[in-house]
Amino acid sequence: GAVVSQHPSWVICKSGTSVKIECRSLDFQATTMFWYRQFPKQSLMLMATSNEGSKATYEQGVEKDKFLINHASLTLSTLTVTSAHPEDSSFYICSASDSYTDTQYFGPGTRLTVL
Amino acid sequence: AQRVTQPEKLLSVFKGAPVELKCNYSYSGSPELFWYVQYSRQRLQLLLRHISRESIKGFTADLNKGETSFHLKKPFAQEEDSAMYYCALSEETSGSRLTFGEGTQLTVNP
Repeated sequence: GAVVSQHPSWVICKSGTSVKIECRSLDFQATTMFWYRQFPKQSLMLMATSNEGSKATYEQGVEKDKFLINHASLTLSTLTVTSAHPEDSSFYICSASDSYTDTQYFGPGTRLTVL
Repeated sequence: AQRVTQPEKLLSVFKGAPVELKCNYSYSGSPELFWYVQYSRQRLQLLLRHISRESIKGFTADLNKGETSFHLKKPFAQEEDSAMYYCALSEETSGSRLTFGEGTQLTVNP
């Protein structure tokens, strides 16, 4: 079946640094990928929709300059958390939409801890 | 704006008992509804979608537009069904953005 990978699976960084998270669709092409944030014991909150070759669409309340998204190819999207602060600590999950089946496949998530 | 409501955060049943996880939605258009499941320490995965009208692992869900509901049902719960279940809504059938409910943690006791 379709697989989506995320790298890294967890990261710890100092406040003020930037962190890049990769999301890859391993055996299918995804013109659209999505980035979610999940707080402990809460649901997934959509942050942005990433479209290959164009600018990402951010949800209301999500700072686009804070969370930089790049979707340069049909199999890779990256989320960069710039100047991270402790309140950015969270579980970040990506999903990729299979262009042929219209099904979203989810990555395993990345645990970000900002000290 | 669309909204998905799962009224039960926690649901506990005994093995072999029927189980129903409730999901209600509000959306003015024609939605596509999904159920996603997340087993312990695993990624979120699609369980079923209403347009498929199929049964996966014994689970079924029927879209009731009159009641704006998409409840997930299984006649005989198994211990391996214990997981977090999320109901989600998509505005169209082209892989567009999903709106998730809060999730229901199902525990099936032996």
